[in-house]
Order: sequence, then structure tokens, then C-alpha cells
Amino acid sequence: DIQMTQSPSAMSASVGDRVTITCRASQGISNYLAWFQQKPGKVPKRLIYAASSFQSGVPSRFSGSGSGTEFTLTISSLQPEDFATYYCLQYSSYPYTFGQGTKLEIK
Amino acid sequence: EVQLVGSGGGLVQPGGSLRLSCAASGFTFSNFWMSWVRQASGKGLEWVANIKPDDSEMYYLHSVRGRFTISRDNTKNSLYLQMNSLRAEDTAVYYCARESTDGYNSFDYWGQGALVTVSS
Repeated sequence: DIQMTQSPSAMSASVGDRVTITCRASQGISNYLAWFQQKPGKVPKRLIYAASSFQSGVPSRFSGSGSGTEFTLTISSLQPEDFATYYCLQYSSYPYTFGQGTKLEIK
Repeated sequence: EVQLVGSGGGLVQPGGSLRLSCAASGFTFSNFWMSWVRQASGKGLEWVANIKPDDSEMYYLHSVRGRFTISRDNTKNSLYLQMNSLRAEDTAVYYCARESTDGYNSFDYWGQGALVTVSS
């Protein structure tokens, strides 16, 4: 199985900060990587697919990059509504696997 | 508007069975791979199973293979997850999710989730 190691597992940041979350795959997954945002009690919301393709309706401050084994999600300027948990997902091979999540909290 | 509406969750004893359903609307259901994803309370997301548009291929998480069966009825625009021999560790919210037609643009829409509780 492909292991997705997401870091950090938690972080605190301030409104306006630039934030980067990383996912590393235990083997190459090309660009079959998506990023999700989840708020407590809510359904996950896809932000990015195919590593760097934008989801329609998602603010442009969210961006994704990477290919192969290392991927990043960047939030260019944190807004109050961005405080949530973020997950990566590899859908290159079965079983699909998620990262363990990054909880982003207000500093 | 794309909608996925899950149903069928509930309380079941260990060893019991439950069938989840997901009703799809707003898109051509028969063109899309579909998945089930679960999340235990306070835990992360875990992919469970998926099924090809013509239901000729299904794939499963190791821990549910042989106990869970994913299926679909394209005439009813519905996805199903039959869960047998349930264990306490299967307790979670189960989401249905739309995958893609092209292999890349996956997991764009999710259902609201159905809570499955396995307890005596």
C-alpha cells in the first residue's frame, strides 16, 4: 500500500500568514493527488485535484504543486474561514490512501 | 445541481449487517466511478471501496474485503454498500463520493454521510 505522510499534523498560524502543508508518498503517484478541507461536522470539500488543478469556486489563495512523491498545498494569505483540517489523498493505486490530516488552528 | 444523498445508517450489533444507499442526481451517474469513504469519530478519512461505471470492477480496502460489497444500479442512479460481519472498528460516518470519468478529476462531490454504529 502507498503510505501518505502529511506534515505537520497540527499547526497554528495567524490571519494573513502564508501556510504550506506537505504530503509525501511512499512511492511515486504521478500527479494523482487531491487536497481536501474539512471543518468540524462537515463533509470534506475538495480544493485541488491532479496535484495542481484548481477546483471551481475555491479561492485563488489555495494552490497545489508537486509530482511523483512530494506534494504541497499552499494557502497564500490565511483567512478566518481557512481554519480547518486538511487532508491529501492519493488515487494512483489501490487502496487509495489519505494523509493523516493537518489541523490548522488560530494563533 | 449534483447531489449525493446517503441513507441506511444505524445501530447494529457486532457480527450484524447493514446496507447503505446513496442516491445520485444532477449528473449522468452511469458515466462515473463511485466510492465510499469513512471517518471514525475524531479520526481521519479512510477510503473503503469503489466501483467502475459498468460495475465490471470493484476495489476494496483490505480490512473490509470479503465482508463489504459495493454495488450500483445505474437505472436507479444509486450506489450501495452491503456491510456484513460488522465489527466495532467499522463504526464511522460513511460518505459516498463521485470519482471521475477521466481518472484525474476525482472526489469532487460527496454525500452528507451516514452514521454506522456497531455496538452491543
